[in-house]
Amino acid sequence: AQKITQTQPGMFVQEKEAVTLDCTYDTSDQSYGLFWYKQPSSGEMIFLIYQGSYDEQNATEGRYSLNFQKARKSANLVISASQLGDSAMYFCAMREGRRVQGGSEKLVFGKGMKLTVNP
Amino acid sequence: DTEVTQTPKHLVMGMTNKKSLKCEQHMGHRAMYWYKQKAKKPPELMFVYSYEKLSINESVPSRFSPECPNSSLLNLHLHALQPEDSALYLCASSLDRATNEKLFFGSGTQLSVL
Repeated sequence: AQKITQTQPGMFVQEKEAVTLDCTYDTSDQSYGLFWYKQPSSGEMIFLIYQGSYDEQNATEGRYSLNFQKARKSANLVISASQLGDSAMYFCAMREGRRVQGGSEKLVFGKGMKLTVNP
Repeated sequence: DTEVTQTPKHLVMGMTNKKSLKCEQHMGHRAMYWYKQKAKKPPELMFVYSYEKLSINESVPSRFSPECPNSSLLNLHLHALQPEDSALYLCASSLDRATNEKLFFGSGTQLSVL
């Protein structure tokens, strides 16, 4: 079963507008971490933001914020004031705790989605 | 220094060749990883080293052989690869294997097997 689901294959947004990238996850563990990475065409995976399962506040990092809804098992990334340089693939990822059967703190990625920012 | 450096950036090899991919970090991280990424797909974990010992092998074929000579270096030795092994190979490191530790990735080696 898929652990991380990103249903949007691609999105377009106008420069300076906000955009939300969807991510849902599946885990039976109480302790887990959720990550968002950006991958431009150069290939490097760039860490954007982290949300721990026990964190009560939504994570924020500059223009990035994570809309964490634990009961719904969703961890959507919000990018405010999009810039042309935000055009890239975006991956949601999860790391489960050791106690989960089959879990081994591996970082597992969703399929990703392509964001294009138009001028 | 928050960099993971991978060399070479590009590699073309024949199916009978032996080559190695190299990865280096100087952040004092004790966990290092190899991921394989096919075009338009997410990265898939291959190996995890923790404190220089192999802790996870995701049933990777033996034609891929990882090595961790010291805490800063991670190699991936390649031998008798198949064309379907062509992919972007990403190295990553993290402070340790704790759930909340983010992975820092290198820019990858784009491998083509002819």
